[in-house]
Amino acid sequence: DAKTTQPTSMDCAEGRAANLPCNHSTISGNEYVYWYRQIHSQGPQYIIHGLKNNETNEMASLIITEDRKSSTLILPHATLRDTAVYYCIVRVDRMLSGGADGLTFGKGTHLIIQP
Amino acid sequence: DTGVSQDPRHKITKRGQNVTFRCDPISEHNRLYWYRQTLGQGPEFLTYFQNEAQLEKSRLLSDRFSAERPKGSFSTLEIQRTEQGDSAMYLCASSLTRDRLAGGPDTQYFGPGTRLTVL
Repeated sequence: DAKTTQPTSMDCAEGRAANLPCNHSTISGNEYVYWYRQIHSQGPQYIIHGLKNNETNEMASLIITEDRKSSTLILPHATLRDTAVYYCIVRVDRMLSGGADGLTFGKGTHLIIQP
Repeated sequence: DTGVSQDPRHKITKRGQNVTFRCDPISEHNRLYWYRQTLGQGPEFLTYFQNEAQLEKSRLLSDRFSAERPKGSFSTLEIQRTEQGDSAMYLCASSLTRDRLAGGPDTQYFGPGTRLTVL
């Protein structure tokens, strides 16, 4: 799976949009971009994923650049409960390519929502 | 709650003891994964099952680690002769494999984890 690069930490004011960047310049055509977050001492929580089109769900929006080398996770109205470590993961479709199916996590971005 | 559950949530043991953790996946999920997370790091993939078959175990950290999923439902992760370096959060996740025509990898959903402390 392609490697991702994320800032170590970010701050955002409560009520504002939080924009979390992720660089995945070596992504290949059959790799998806996944986002998870982990609130302190809990298991990771799935947020959203996409291949090449922008995606939106009740939690967030995912914007993927046209060349797919980077993406941005957007939390439209951040709350204090959004304080967490956010992981950007690039993942190949193993049902097509075979191989081990585990997710490869980096260190993520520690997002701190300020009151 | 119909999410992934893990038991126990916390385990304290002495070095050299064996420990076993249980994971109950989301109902009907056929894939089950185990991860380990040490302080300040992201989760690290260990092994996974599709139904009762263990499809990947080369990532298990040593031969002291073993996992089972005998009936394709719940799974257990055992660590024998624990060492202080085994202290970590052990996470379980489950997923439902998609029909090939549907496209895309299946999404993994994680449980709350079991925090192991080895004294």
